[in-house]
Amino acid sequence: AQKVTQAQTEISVVEKEDVTLDCVYETRDTTYYLFWYKQPPSGELVFLIRRNSFDEQNEISGRYSWNFQKSTSSFNFTITASQVVDSAVYFCALRGRDDKIIFGKGTRLHILP
Amino acid sequence: DAGITQSPRHKVTETGTPVTLRCHQTENHRYMYWYRQDPGHGLRLIHYSYGVKDTDKGEVSDGYSVSRSKTEDFLLTLESATSSQTSVYFCAIKIDSYTEAFFGQGTRLTVV
Repeated sequence: AQKVTQAQTEISVVEKEDVTLDCVYETRDTTYYLFWYKQPPSGELVFLIRRNSFDEQNEISGRYSWNFQKSTSSFNFTITASQVVDSAVYFCALRGRDDKIIFGKGTRLHILP
Repeated sequence: DAGITQSPRHKVTETGTPVTLRCHQTENHRYMYWYRQDPGHGLRLIHYSYGVKDTDKGEVSDGYSVSRSKTEDFLLTLESATSSQTSVYFCAIKIDSYTEAFFGQGTRLTVV
């Protein structure tokens, strides 16, 4: 069975602080894909990043960075120098061989001015 | 905008009535998904489709059925709506097996 755990239900940080959102996954598949999505207060779901199981390189996109570690089954997301516009619910997701995309319960991030 | 339209966007219905939600895409993507979003549960997969007339169950499929008679449309039906099906429903589409999914704007369904 596949499972995604986002243990942090809610996080609050002051603007300009760095924040890391944790994601731990479980799968028996050797080939799988991991995703992060953002859901701002307006409600839409915005795709942020995809990573496959064979690519453990970390990725940086502006203030966003992702740390994928197969050894610990984790795919963590860091926002550097957070801004109020980063306030949202962030979801981590996993797709295995059967084409199902399973989501974690999400982490609600509050960036305080 | 990923070319996905969900209809209706809002609906209030009574317990026991049938309800059909529609997801329409203009991208000709093979994969389509239906999720529900509830506080404390995140997004849960209801059903998904990997082609015309090819569908499969997700995590929370009880009480729901789907149909996909055309590539562009994926219908979600609640045969007899219950209050526990009050939720926000999201449709998603995906180009290929290994790509990311893009989501529609959501449908807020209230069963009274």
